Amino acid sequence: ILNVEQSPQSLHVQEGDSTNFTCSFPSSNFYALHWYRWETAKSPEALFVMTLNGDEKKKGRISATLNTKEGYSYLYIKGSQPEDSATYLCAFMRPGGYQKVTFGTGTKLQVIP
Amino acid sequence: EPEVTQTPSHQVTQMGQEVILRCVPISNHLYFYWYRQILGQKVEFLVSFYNNEISEKSEIFDDQFSVERPDGSNFTLKIRSTKLEDSAMYFCASSEYKGGEQYFGPGTRLTVT
Repeated sequence: ILNVEQSPQSLHVQEGDSTNFTCSFPSSNFYALHWYRWETAKSPEALFVMTLNGDEKKKGRISATLNTKEGYSYLYIKGSQPEDSATYLCAFMRPGGYQKVTFGTGTKLQVIP
Repeated sequence: EPEVTQTPSHQVTQMGQEVILRCVPISNHLYFYWYRQILGQKVEFLVSFYNNEISEKSEIFDDQFSVERPDGSNFTLKIRSTKLEDSAMYFCASSEYKGGEQYFGPGTRLTVT
């Protein structure tokens, strides 16, 4: 059983604040890590696909880093806006079983105007 | 913009009945997935499908489950004899390349009574 953990479970921030949350995964067997954003009543939407240790990806105010040696990824949101309110999921893929995806529990972010 | 579609959006069935959940992946995608989320729990991988065969399946995907790509556009999940614990949201996803970002459908809510 793979443990993919996300913390915190939920987060409330004020509009304009910057925030970050963590995804931890097994470091010994890594193929890729995905980040998804999941708004209520919609389907998960891909943010980033990360494959290399040290990867840093950015999309607008959202960025992510990856450390495969220690088994974690951070997602950062700069200057949070109410429309950033969503659940952020990470998804881990192993080599070999690259098509089996293990999702984390998610971090539910609420940005208060 | 191309999107993954799923039908029906909500299916209510009696225990022991067979259900077929339908998905139309994005047309140039080659990798297909089914996931489920039981209310209040994390998203769970069920099965991945590539080149007209199952490439990986989870322990949840037992003999009661099957997948098919009958006509080159639809991708179906069949549950042969539904149980109460099969009640969940079922998501289909597709990706263009191995390990790539996945595009999710809107989900089918299955309620087994």
